[in-house]
Amino acid sequence: QTVVTQEPSFSVSPGGTVTLTCGLSSGSVSANYYPSWCQQTPGQAPRTLIYNTNTRSSGVPDRFSGSILGNKAALTITGAQADDESDYYCVLYMGGGIFVFGTGTKVTVL
Amino acid sequence: EVQLLESGGGLVQPGGSLRLSCAVSGTIFSNYAMTWVRQAPGKGLEWVSHISNSGDKTNYVESVRGRFTISRDNFKNTLYLQMNSLRAEDTAIYYCVKGKSPNALDIWGQGTMVTVSS
Repeated sequence: QTVVTQEPSFSVSPGGTVTLTCGLSSGSVSANYYPSWCQQTPGQAPRTLIYNTNTRSSGVPDRFSGSILGNKAALTITGAQADDESDYYCVLYMGGGIFVFGTGTKVTVL
Repeated sequence: EVQLLESGGGLVQPGGSLRLSCAVSGTIFSNYAMTWVRQAPGKGLEWVSHISNSGDKTNYVESVRGRFTISRDNFKNTLYLQMNSLRAEDTAIYYCVKGKSPNALDIWGQGTMVTVSS
């Protein structure tokens, strides 16, 4: 069974920078998995921030960026704002229409 | 503006059935693959099922295979999820998601709550 791992939580100061990562329980995450990142604020539906490793969805601020760091996908928030306080999920494409979500990272801005 | 509106959720007894619908507007529905994703109370997101833009290819997470059926009507711009033999562990908010490309998710609906309980 494929397990996609993320840090459980991160805290960042307003204006600060934080990098979340997304790994595989066995193996490396590469661009071949077309990693995406979704943001979910409490009580709201998720929204897609980043797809295909580093492409921002329409309307997403450029303080959000995606990349591959070593053997993991990464989401960096540069200049964090209060309304970035959310849960962030990594999503990997496994082929055949199958997606696997990561365990999620709760980001607190304080 | 692309909009996805789910409906059909509710309270059902274990072993019962429900059919979820997702009405899509503001885009050419038949151009895009569609996905159902669920979120159990207090838990993370889980991919449930996928259907190609033409409807000829489908796939399911192992825990629902044989019980759930995904389908679409490209004339009505609507996605469906027929859920049979429901179990308590199927209790979740169910989201429909429009594909950006075959390998990326794009726009999410607001979700519909399914509760399986006696």
